[in-house]
Amino acid sequence: DAGVTQSPTHLIKTRGQQVTLRCSPKSGHDTVSWYQQALGQGPQFIFQYYEEEERQRGNFPDRFSGHQFPNYSSELNVNALLLGDSALYLCASSFLVTRAYSYNEQFFGPGTRLTVL
Amino acid sequence: GQQVMQIPQYQHVQEGEDFTTYCNSSTTLSNIQWYKQRPGGHPVFLIQLVKSGEVKKQKRLTFQFGEAKKNSSLHITATQTTDVGTYFCAASNFGNEKLTFGTGTRLTIIP
Repeated sequence: DAGVTQSPTHLIKTRGQQVTLRCSPKSGHDTVSWYQQALGQGPQFIFQYYEEEERQRGNFPDRFSGHQFPNYSSELNVNALLLGDSALYLCASSFLVTRAYSYNEQFFGPGTRLTVL
Repeated sequence: GQQVMQIPQYQHVQEGEDFTTYCNSSTTLSNIQWYKQRPGGHPVFLIQLVKSGEVKKQKRLTFQFGEAKKNSSLHITATQTTDVGTYFCAASNFGNEKLTFGTGTRLTIIP
């Protein structure tokens, strides 16, 4: 059973460029969340996708957008890259919580290390 | 928005010594999760605490959730070199998978 996979593992871009990162969730999971982790910091929630729609969003500008496909895989797009976008981008998958007072464990992928020069 | 603070930021211990990291929130938490991230790796789920005053153990690791559900702790007994990494607490609300991560405690072991 494959876990969460992400591609590419590393990426180098220059300021102003655009980037697309990809994530395949753990088998059976239907919800994908994206996090940004700057060096030495904890992961910061970007947004979450379920049924091909953005369900929740963190405090990130509109330059950050995403998509979820019918097979539950997801993409994260970042436009007009800034130096400050350099970080590890993590994808996490889970089942959608449908019952009150319940929570489902999230499984993280290995991440994509983005460097903006 | 919800903020979760962790102390200490760094901890260096001799192998065999104990280690504790603390997680604090200004608001009541629905649940708290703990993750371990090895250097160069990604966060790996350790445990989830839901009930007030809950205590859970995993071998040498003991996790506690405060009575007021505003704080939590992770205690490792007799640390080993395999315990090296950064330990994060993460808070979420029921029915909401968004995780708010703490600032993390980076543990290094002196052999």
